[in-house]
Amino acid sequence: QVQLVESGGGVVQPGRSLRLSCVASGFTFNTYPMHWVRQAPGKGLEWVAVMSADGRDKFYADPVKGRFTISRDNSKNTLYLQMNSLRLEDTAVYFCARDAPYHDYWGQGTLVTVSS
Amino acid sequence: DIVVTQSPDSLAVSLGERATVNCKSSQSVLYSSDNKNYLAWFQQKPGQPPRLLIYWASTRASGVPDRFSGSGSGTDFTLTISSLQAEDVAVYYCQQYYSTPRAFGQGTKVEIK
Repeated sequence: QVQLVESGGGVVQPGRSLRLSCVASGFTFNTYPMHWVRQAPGKGLEWVAVMSADGRDKFYADPVKGRFTISRDNSKNTLYLQMNSLRLEDTAVYFCARDAPYHDYWGQGTLVTVSS
Repeated sequence: DIVVTQSPDSLAVSLGERATVNCKSSQSVLYSSDNKNYLAWFQQKPGQPPRLLIYWASTRASGVPDRFSGSGSGTDFTLTISSLQAEDVAVYYCQQYYSTPRAFGQGTKVEIK
């Protein structure tokens, strides 16, 4: 069965960095584009970034452009999100999601709290 | 960028009654080459990730009860719960996957009256 498991969240000060991971299993990872979606506490869903199956193409939402970097290691079935220059407004649960091209599978999410 | 707007923000419906959620995109999400609407609906309960309900605007995902249905084309879409059950209390989101950024609607909270 398809599984997506995120990790790497935690409490971090503004301006610092954090790297999230999403380990995939149960499907051929290197044939699917993958996304990050976040949800601030008590708020709606916000799309963050996408990476193509082969890792060549990536796109970002404007609020994270220039600060976040999406990447993947297809040999490890893992998607990453490197988050630099974190801001208070980046506090959220971060989900990874498969692209089919709709989001058919989601991870449980990992909480990132940016606080001084 | 496509903007997606849902209405209402919340609604309360009696058990067994119909619930209707609307979703409007600022541009058409109907792709002419395959005649498909690139619009999905998700259900999210507290503390859980979103669950895919509907894709291609009207196709139910695996395991989704048939009381859930999606309709619409182009820029205007509807999610209908034909007979609301207690377990349907949740926030519902639509999302366009026609282009990036992949915008979500703001969500509609469905409660029991």
